[in-house]
Amino acid sequence: GQQVMQIPQYQHVQEGEDFTTYCNSSTTLSNIQWYKQRPGGHPVFLIQLVKSGEVKKQKRLTFQFGEAKKNSSLHITATQTTDVGTYFCAGRTSGTYKYIFGTGTRLKVLA
Amino acid sequence: NAGVTQTPKFQVLKTGQSMTLQCAQDMNHEYMSWYRQDPGMGLRLIHYSVGAGITDQGEVPNGYNVSRSTTEDFPLRLLSAAPSQTSVYFCASSSDPSDRLGPTEAFFGQGTRLTVV
Repeated sequence: GQQVMQIPQYQHVQEGEDFTTYCNSSTTLSNIQWYKQRPGGHPVFLIQLVKSGEVKKQKRLTFQFGEAKKNSSLHITATQTTDVGTYFCAGRTSGTYKYIFGTGTRLKVLA
Repeated sequence: NAGVTQTPKFQVLKTGQSMTLQCAQDMNHEYMSWYRQDPGMGLRLIHYSVGAGITDQGEVPNGYNVSRSTTEDFPLRLLSAAPSQTSVYFCASSSDPSDRLGPTEAFFGQGTRLTVV
């Protein structure tokens, strides 16, 4: 079945440093979504990518979808303490309605 | 606008007991799903529904039943609880699972923390 892996599992950074999490799918995806979950909270939608090679930016966050539509990344520039949380990718394959979540990357930002 | 409402927020069950986790959404969304979240495992899809009367299995369906008699409600039933079902359960809904009309984000409930002893 479809599997979605994320690396790293954990990342500690000093405030102001950059952060990147990578998402890899075992199958070609129709689209991919990214979510953020604050400690003790629920996942909150960040963005969706659909096109091969697509790059989208949200302020300090940059999202990329790979050319083969099997991998994606989220890059945060100059992290802030408000970026703390777990970041998940979720991918869907064509012809299905199932969104399979990645294992998540937990980010801690040290002030 | 309440969004997605899950009840209860916390529950302790004894092994073998049954219970139903409730999920209701007021956004008229067709797509609803249940996930369980365990440390280091991310969110794993249990069951999902693309509309009233239509349900299907996700990644980890064993031990759980669902039904979708209305657009608003999507309850998750544990028929005979086991310690392995100790987890945080999230219900989510979105408007169009096929994304035909553009990106469709999933809205998550606050979660139910279930402990089976």
